[in-house]
Amino acid sequence: KAGVTQTPRYLIKTRGQQVTLSCSPISGHRSVSWYQQTPGQGLQFLFEYFSETQRNKGNFPGRFSGRQFSNSRSEMNVSTLELGDSALYLCASSFIAGEVTDTQYFGPGTRLTVL
Amino acid sequence: AQSVTQPDIHITVSEGASLELRCNYSYGATPYLFWYVQSPGQGLQLLLKYFSGDTLVQGIKGFEAEFKRSQSSFNLRKPSVHWSDAAEYFCAVGAGDDKIIFGKGTRLHILP
Repeated sequence: KAGVTQTPRYLIKTRGQQVTLSCSPISGHRSVSWYQQTPGQGLQFLFEYFSETQRNKGNFPGRFSGRQFSNSRSEMNVSTLELGDSALYLCASSFIAGEVTDTQYFGPGTRLTVL
Repeated sequence: AQSVTQPDIHITVSEGASLELRCNYSYGATPYLFWYVQSPGQGLQLLLKYFSGDTLVQGIKGFEAEFKRSQSSFNLRKPSVHWSDAAEYFCAVGAGDDKIIFGKGTRLHILP
């Protein structure tokens, strides 16, 4: 079974631009979660989608948004990029949403650099 | 509020030596606890998890962790480390609102 894939792996943008990141979960997984990882803040939960609906949201500004498609693939969008948005964005998929006991499988991440 | 503390930012051990990575959590109810490992340029891989039952949990790659409720700890151990264990390790707690809260991580360095 293929793992979680994220595209692109690396991205360089400038302040004020917007960016869209993509995540394809493991086949059969319907829950996709997004995390932001930075050296200062560590791993922070962004949001979780299940069956095309946002189930959970972390404490991030409205510039961060996401969606999930009927095939469970998910995208996250960041508008009006700021320097502080430079981070590794990780996507994780699991079979069941709302079950903390369900194992999350992480993708390799997208490294976003904002200049 | 739920939180996870990994007191050691960096740890260095010699290859073949034993390892213990510390993790303390703060959570009002019975916690769900996890240890993940992240190799450079990679995503996170689950090493082991604790939900209930036996407080000593066996994971992959020869790792184990022990849940101690009285100390609010979930320390990760390995009897003999290999150079390939050099990575960053994250402890996490499953929060009541279905989110997972991660610690800041401990970077493990292995001396040859």
